[in-house]
Amino acid sequence: GNSVTQMEGPVTLSEEAFLTINCTYTATGYPSLFWYVQYPGEGLQLLLKATKADDKGSNKGFEATYRKETTSFHLEKGSVQVSDSAVYFCALTLLQGAQKLVFGQGTRLTINP
Amino acid sequence: EPEVTQTPSHQVTQMGQEVILRCVPISNHLYFYWYRQILGQKVEFLVSFYNNEISEKSEIFDDQFSVERPDGSNFTLKIRSTKLEDSAMYFCASRRQGSNYGYTFGSGTRLTVV
Repeated sequence: GNSVTQMEGPVTLSEEAFLTINCTYTATGYPSLFWYVQYPGEGLQLLLKATKADDKGSNKGFEATYRKETTSFHLEKGSVQVSDSAVYFCALTLLQGAQKLVFGQGTRLTINP
Repeated sequence: EPEVTQTPSHQVTQMGQEVILRCVPISNHLYFYWYRQILGQKVEFLVSFYNNEISEKSEIFDDQFSVERPDGSNFTLKIRSTKLEDSAMYFCASRRQGSNYGYTFGSGTRLTVV
């Protein structure tokens, strides 16, 4: 079946550090890939997405590239801010019909000033 | 920007009681979903719904759960007899038809069973 594996958290960084959160996937077919962010006490917000191999999704300084050869979709940001503290979820779907979104386990990120 | 609206934001119920969680998906969306997140844990799929019927359900979605789209705008999740372990955040999501469209989530209902 389809599944997503994220790096174990929590991750703690200092402000302006470089961020990488690893995400790998297993899927039948050609999935679309997503990163969602959950700020404290809030719901799930779409951060970025990529629908085919070699696509790069980007938003708010975050980037992720769909790597079919390594089945990965790692999230990166060059200089994190305290306001980036949140839980980040990698997810995939086949985007066919009513296909569900399958989430990774989430990575809690804390940025210290 | 269109939103998925969930009510209530927080519900406290006694064990064994029935609860109905409500969602208003985006109006031109055709696919509807319920997910849950036990505090601090993974976001788990419960059920997907299309064309007035369940498309897929997980093993969590047992006979105590049901979904309904009673009036063409609301999408409800009913838990018939709540258990302590049903305490979680429940998220509704919807999606347009077509492969270029992602999922829009509501802000969730926090259910506390006491």
